[in-house]
Amino acid sequence: EVQLVESGGGLVQPGRSLKLSCVASGFTFNNYWMTWIRQAPGKGLEWVASITNTGGSTYYPDSVKGRFTISRDNAKSTLYLQMNSLRSEDTATYYCTRGGYWGQGVMVTVSS
Amino acid sequence: DVVMTQTPVSLSLAIGQPASISCKSSQSLLGTSGKTFLNWILQRPGQSPKRLIYQVSKLYSEVPDRFSGSGSETEFTLKISRVEAEDLGVYYCWQGTHFPDTFGAGTKLELK
Repeated sequence: EVQLVESGGGLVQPGRSLKLSCVASGFTFNNYWMTWIRQAPGKGLEWVASITNTGGSTYYPDSVKGRFTISRDNAKSTLYLQMNSLRSEDTATYYCTRGGYWGQGVMVTVSS
Repeated sequence: DVVMTQTPVSLSLAIGQPASISCKSSQSLLGTSGKTFLNWILQRPGQSPKRLIYQVSKLYSEVPDRFSGSGSETEFTLKISRVEAEDLGVYYCWQGTHFPDTFGAGTKLELK
């Protein structure tokens, strides 16, 4: 059974940093691209970052480019999202996803 | 970015009634591979999204066959032949043909 378990969320002040993790199980992690998607409270879904199966290429929308970094450790079957220079508009639930599978999400609140 | 427009915004239906949700894209979702990467997902209240349909009409194995998807190019439809209580929530269409992935704003299915 595919499982994606996120952690690392919480309350952080504007301008500070936070790192999310996603531990994957139930599939061969290093065979798949992975993606972070977020959902602001009461809002729709927004793609945040993707990474190829080897980690050799990464992709971001303009809204987070230069501030967020997606990475992975295939030996640990773990996906990461390093978020720097956080803004109030980054407040959202962040989901780790793989081809139709979604984790339970982790909440990030950016507020002073 | 490809804009995904869903209608209606909400649906109020009794159990056993059929449901239909439309999703239109601002450009054709037929990719150079000949495949159309249009997906449907359901987010039940308080839960993370769950996969329903991929490539327009292919149901994931765990999805009941009362769900169906159809369409091509820029117009797509999700149908539920007979709504059941477990079907309530917000339905999103999601395109993965063009970079970046984009989502519809969602259609909320409520039970009458």
